[in-house]
Amino acid sequence: GESVGLHLPTLSVQEGDNSIINCAYSNSASDYFIWYKQESGKGPQFIIDIRSNMDKRQGQRVTVLLNKTVKHLSLQIAATQPGDSAVYFCAETSQDTGRRALTFGSGTRLQVQP
Amino acid sequence: GAVVSQHPSRVICKSGTSVKIECRSLDFQATTMFWYRQFPKQSLMLMATSNEGSKATYEQGVEKDKFLINHASLTLSTLTVTSAHPEDSSFYICSARVGHRIYEQYFGPGTRLTVT
Repeated sequence: GESVGLHLPTLSVQEGDNSIINCAYSNSASDYFIWYKQESGKGPQFIIDIRSNMDKRQGQRVTVLLNKTVKHLSLQIAATQPGDSAVYFCAETSQDTGRRALTFGSGTRLQVQP
Repeated sequence: GAVVSQHPSRVICKSGTSVKIECRSLDFQATTMFWYRQFPKQSLMLMATSNEGSKATYEQGVEKDKFLINHASLTLSTLTVTSAHPEDSSFYICSARVGHRIYEQYFGPGTRLTVT
C-alpha cells in the first residue's frame, strides 16, 4: 500500500551543526506534507508544512524541501540545539480518501551532542 | 494557538476491563477528530476518523467493536477500549481538525494505556 518512510532511523549531530532529516513517500497523489517533532511521552508538535505546489519553505531555523519528481522530503534544522533532540516524523495527506487523514513516516531520532 | 487535551494521561487497567479515553478541543470546534495508536519506538498509526454526529470510520484491521468511538459534540471525542488485553497496551493519541480547515490539525498529548 501507500506509505511514507524514512532513510535514517537515528541521526547524531553536534550542537551548532546543521541537521538534515530525510523522508520518502510513495503516494503520487500526496499534496500536503508536514514535519512533526515528538518528545518522549508527548504528542506530535507541528514544525513546518509544505504544499505540493512549492519546493521549499522556510521557518525559524527550519527549512523543508520537497522534490516531487523523486517523492522526497527533507527537513533542515540550522544550528541544532540540545532542545531539538526528539523523534521527527514526516506526514502526508492527499484527497484520495476525502478525509484528509495523515499518513506518518517511520520517524528519525535526532540526538544532539553538546 | 489551538489546544487539544486528553484524559487520562496514563491509565493502568486489568485484562478484560474497559477503558475510556477523552479527547477535547479546548478553544475551537472540531468537526473531525482522529485517533492514532503508537507502539514503542514506532510511528503513529491511524485507527479511525471521528466525525461529530456520525459514525466513526475505522481503518482496515481495526476492530470497531473493540475500539468504540463516540464524537458527541464539537469539542469531545471518546475512545473506549473494550475488554482490554495486554496487547492493547500502547500510546493513544488524538488529533482535532479546526472546523473545515483541512490543513489545520492539532494533536493531543497522548494517553499511555497499560493493560496488566
